[in-house]
Amino acid sequence: DAKTTQPNSMESNEEEPVHLPCNHSTISGTDYIHWYRQLPSQGPEYVIHGLTSNVNNRMASLAIAEDRKSSTLILHRATLRDAAVYYCILRAYNNNDMRFGAGTRLTVKP
Amino acid sequence: NAGVTQTPKFQVLKTGQSMTLQCAQDMNHEYMSWYRQDPGMGLRLIHYSVGAGITDQGEVPNGYNVSRSTTEDFPLRLLSAAPSQTSVYFCASSYGARDNEQFFGPGTRLTVL
Repeated sequence: DAKTTQPNSMESNEEEPVHLPCNHSTISGTDYIHWYRQLPSQGPEYVIHGLTSNVNNRMASLAIAEDRKSSTLILHRATLRDAAVYYCILRAYNNNDMRFGAGTRLTVKP
Repeated sequence: NAGVTQTPKFQVLKTGQSMTLQCAQDMNHEYMSWYRQDPGMGLRLIHYSVGAGITDQGEVPNGYNVSRSTTEDFPLRLLSAAPSQTSVYFCASSYGARDNEQFFGPGTRLTVL
């Protein structure tokens, strides 16, 4: 299975942009890149996903490297409510299993 | 819509006891799944179902049984609880197995003594 590598933790100041990196050097052509986040004491929450092109939604942006071996989740203006563990997950289009790693714990400072 | 609901929120069992964790969704989702999350780790898939009457094993199925008699409900049964099953259990659902957005329940925190 293709694996992802994320930093264990990151810090950000409130109202500043945050760039959360993810390396996935063994990604295959059919793997979608998904991002979920988990707020304290809650279940994971979908953030965004993409295949090759950069993607934007109301929560975040996803920048995917041209060779697809890395990606970056961008929170444009971090708020205190964005403090969570962020998971970068590869999921093949025909695979039911989402393999969560340990994720990146984002701390947002006021 | 209530979304994905799970009961109970907390449970303490003794080794060898059995119990059923309940999961229900009111979004008419075909795909449902169970994950466990151990402290400081990501989620691992236990079992999943692509529709009523169809279930399959995930990454860590041993010690757990599931059935899917209705679209709405997907209970997880622990046959003989062991301390290694102490974990937080999450149920998730989505429209289809290939759907990109899965909806997760609030979790059940299980302790096995």
